Amino acid sequence: GAVVSQHPSRVICKSGTSVKIECRSLDFQATTMFWYRQFPKQSLMLMATSNEGSKATYEQGVEKDKFLINHASLTLSTLTVTSAHPEDSSFYICSALQGSNTEAFFGQGTRLTVV
Amino acid sequence: KQEVTQIPAALSVPEGENLVLNCSFTDSAIYNLQWFRQDPGKGLTSLLLIQSSQREQTSGRLNASLDKSSGRSTLYIAASQPGDSATYLCAADNYGQNFVFGPGTRLSVLP
Repeated sequence: GAVVSQHPSRVICKSGTSVKIECRSLDFQATTMFWYRQFPKQSLMLMATSNEGSKATYEQGVEKDKFLINHASLTLSTLTVTSAHPEDSSFYICSALQGSNTEAFFGQGTRLTVV
Repeated sequence: KQEVTQIPAALSVPEGENLVLNCSFTDSAIYNLQWFRQDPGKGLTSLLLIQSSQREQTSGRLNASLDKSSGRSTLYIAASQPGDSATYLCAADNYGQNFVFGPGTRLSVLP
């Protein structure tokens, strides 16, 4: 199956700094990518839908100015957590849709810890 | 290394039937197991989350069970409806290893 690479898998950063997470589709073009996060003991929740060449669509309650999403190419979407705070510590995962195919492929996830 | 499989890969049933979707995982040291639904072109919708200490969770017509010792989880859908048609994914959340998703079961409920 298609491969989605997410980097880094783990990151620890200081409060107030920004962290960028990359999501790459390695062997297919992804017109749509999704970003999710999961807090401890909670379900995975959709944060935003990213379409190549256009602005991301954010779910209710997700701050678009804090979680910057860029989908500048058909194989790369980035999520930047700006001015990170300890409450942003979470598990972030991306998935990518291969064209009109209904199947989504997931990255490995990124565990972010803000200290 | 955790591996997650789902059976069947695809399922087509008439409206009103009760059905069971199966999920198997190889490493029982999971933090939790989750069931998701994915509609065409859309993101995941979380259905049920079962913590490692729990055996089942229920939400409306959905019931998910977890048997860690045998490495299995099932999703039971009662009185299926055409609106239930989607791909259903299970995912094992391992301690320190992040998520491992199953390949999914494509469900079609025919009117």
